[in-house]
Amino acid sequence: DIVMTQSPDSLAVSLGERATINCKASHSVLYSSSNKNYLAWYQQRPRQPPKLLIYWASTRESGVPDRFRGSGSGTDFTLTISSLQAEDVALYYCQQFYSTPPTFGGGTKVEIK
Amino acid sequence: EVQLLESGGDLVQPGGSLRLSCAASGFTFIDYAMTWVRQAPGKGLEWVSSMSGHTGTTSYADSVEGRFTVSRDNSKNTLYLQMNSLRVEDTAVYYCAKDKPYSTGWFLFFDYWGQGTLVTVSS
Repeated sequence: DIVMTQSPDSLAVSLGERATINCKASHSVLYSSSNKNYLAWYQQRPRQPPKLLIYWASTRESGVPDRFRGSGSGTDFTLTISSLQAEDVALYYCQQFYSTPPTFGGGTKVEIK
Repeated sequence: EVQLLESGGDLVQPGGSLRLSCAASGFTFIDYAMTWVRQAPGKGLEWVSSMSGHTGTTSYADSVEGRFTVSRDNSKNTLYLQMNSLRVEDTAVYYCAKDKPYSTGWFLFFDYWGQGTLVTVSS
């Protein structure tokens, strides 16, 4: 199984400031034939189901604000929130779908400083 | 509008059984793989099982293989999870989730999730 490791476990950021979450895969999730990284990011607000933010590592889901940006390739990925808003307080998970079983990172809790 | 509505969660004793359902609407159900993902209290997300739409191919996490069975009724737009030999560690909110891309197989990333149904295994 591919192990997904997120860092940090939690971070506190001031409103309007940048938040950066890292995700490292134990195996590359880049399919060379398609040149796509099989990596997604989800946001989970308290008492809510997860919400898809980013897929193919950097494609923003429809309706997701452009302050959310995914980057990286191979084994190292980053989710950046460029200007933190109050509604961004949530848990964030990365997930690889390169191989079965699909696996999630442990989550990063984002709070307001 | 896509909607996924889980039901069937309950309190059950260790060794017991339960069947979860997920009623889907707002999309062509057979065209998409469907998945169960669970979340233990205060913990992260764990993939449980998936089933493709057209071919009916299934896959299970090692932790539930041989105890859980996923199925779907494409005529009723409903996904099921039959859970047998339940263990305390199966306690979780169970979400059903829809694969984002259309595929005869699956990609296993998810653009719609239900609100979840709570399964509690305890004596």
